[in-house]
Amino acid sequence: DIHMTQSPSSLSASVGDRVTITCRANQTISSSLSWYQQKPGRAPKLLIYAASSLQSDVPPRFSGSGSGTDFTLTIRSLQPEDFATYYCLQSYSVFYAFGQGTKLEIK
Amino acid sequence: QVQLVQSGAEVKKPGASLKVSCKASGYTFASYTMHWVRQAPGQGLEWMGWINAGNGNTKYSEKLQGRVTITRDTSASIAYMELGSLRSEDTAVYYCARGVGSPRDVWGQGTTVTVSS
Repeated sequence: DIHMTQSPSSLSASVGDRVTITCRANQTISSSLSWYQQKPGRAPKLLIYAASSLQSDVPPRFSGSGSGTDFTLTIRSLQPEDFATYYCLQSYSVFYAFGQGTKLEIK
Repeated sequence: QVQLVQSGAEVKKPGASLKVSCKASGYTFASYTMHWVRQAPGQGLEWMGWINAGNGNTKYSEKLQGRVTITRDTSASIAYMELGSLRSEDTAVYYCARGVGSPRDVWGQGTTVTVSS
């Protein structure tokens, strides 16, 4: 099984800050990693696919990097609407797996 | 436009079975894989499994293997997720989603399922 470990599990930041969330796989997943944002009561929204490709209509302040086992999601200049929970997802294996999530809160 | 519309909320008793539907529109149903993801109250996202809507091949999470079955009706463009031997821990919002992890990603609105005696 491929397991995904996200860190931190929660994070407090201010509007305008730059934040980084990491996701680590327990074995190589190449670049088969995507990032989702979820707000309460809503379905997840895809931000990044293939580790670093920005989904259409997603603001460029979101970026992703990494390959193999270690990945990061960076949000430059946090906006009020960015406070949400973020999940990574591996799609390298036919058995997909999400990370446990990172809750981004306003400081 | 591409849309996935799920069936309505359900309340089930422990030990019962559940069947949630997901009707697709706006695209060629058989051309994409449909995934099912669930989220228990206050918890993270859990991937449940997928079906290749074209050939019907399926994969299920090891945790749910034996209790979950995903099927589809290509003539009606509907995917189904059945979960048996329900327990309280199955209380969750269940989502269908096309093309998870790809730029063709689309999600249903979610179906709330409550398992309670």
